[in-house]
Amino acid sequence: QKEVEQNSGPLSVPEGAIASLNCTYSDRGSQSFFWYRQYSGKSPELIMFIYSNGDKEDGRFTAQLNKASQYVSLLIRDSQPSDSATYLCAPVNQGGKLIFGQGTELSVKP
Amino acid sequence: GAVVSQHPSWVICKSGTSVKIECRSLDFQATTMFWYRQFPKQSLMLMATSNEGSKATYEQGVEKDKFLINHASLTLSTLTVTSAHPEDSSFYICSARDRIERVYNEQFFGPGTRLTVL
Repeated sequence: QKEVEQNSGPLSVPEGAIASLNCTYSDRGSQSFFWYRQYSGKSPELIMFIYSNGDKEDGRFTAQLNKASQYVSLLIRDSQPSDSATYLCAPVNQGGKLIFGQGTELSVKP
Repeated sequence: GAVVSQHPSWVICKSGTSVKIECRSLDFQATTMFWYRQFPKQSLMLMATSNEGSKATYEQGVEKDKFLINHASLTLSTLTVTSAHPEDSSFYICSARDRIERVYNEQFFGPGTRLTVL
C-alpha cells in the first residue's frame, strides 16, 4: 500500500463546476495535511492545510478531513480554467516530513 | 513573507561535472530545509533533510556522496550534484521550514532548479 494515494486523473470538469479531489493516507500518526497546486514546470504552491476533522473553507476551496477514515479531500467550487494544474496531497508524517501523493491532474474546460 | 529562492533556476552541464544549487530563505530563518527531486510526470520525492549546523539526513536510496548538502547558516542550504550523469537530469526543489512556526510543519517551497546533464 502506498503511503499516500490520490484519485487517478486526469480529472476533467467544465468551467463553473465543482472539482473533487480525494486522498487517502496510511500513517495514522499524521496530524497536518497540505494541499499543493503545481503548474507544469513550476514548483508546488500551497493552497491550504487542515489539521482538525471536518471542513475548512478558504474562498473557493474547501478541505475535508476524516482521520478515522484516513481520508482528506479538496473541493474546488466554481472551477476556472486557471485552476487546471496537478494537485498534490501531502500529509506530514510522524517524522515531520511531507509525504506527497502522485498528484491528480485537473483540467477545467471553458 | 516566507519567500524561498533557488539559484540557478536552470543549468545545463556536461557529464562528469559537478553542479551546485543554492536555496535561500529570504525573510525568515530556517533551521530545517528539504531537498526534493521530481522527474517528469512523477511526484516530488524527498532526497534529504538539511539541518543548520549538522549533517544532512538522506532518504533511503539517495547517495550521500553524490548529493552533497551543506546547511551552513539559518538562511542558506546548498546541494551539490557531484560527477553528474544524464540520469541525474531532473527538477530539484528545495523547501524551508520556519524556525519559529513549527506547529503545523508548513514548508515553503523554492521555485526549483532544472538540471540537464548532457
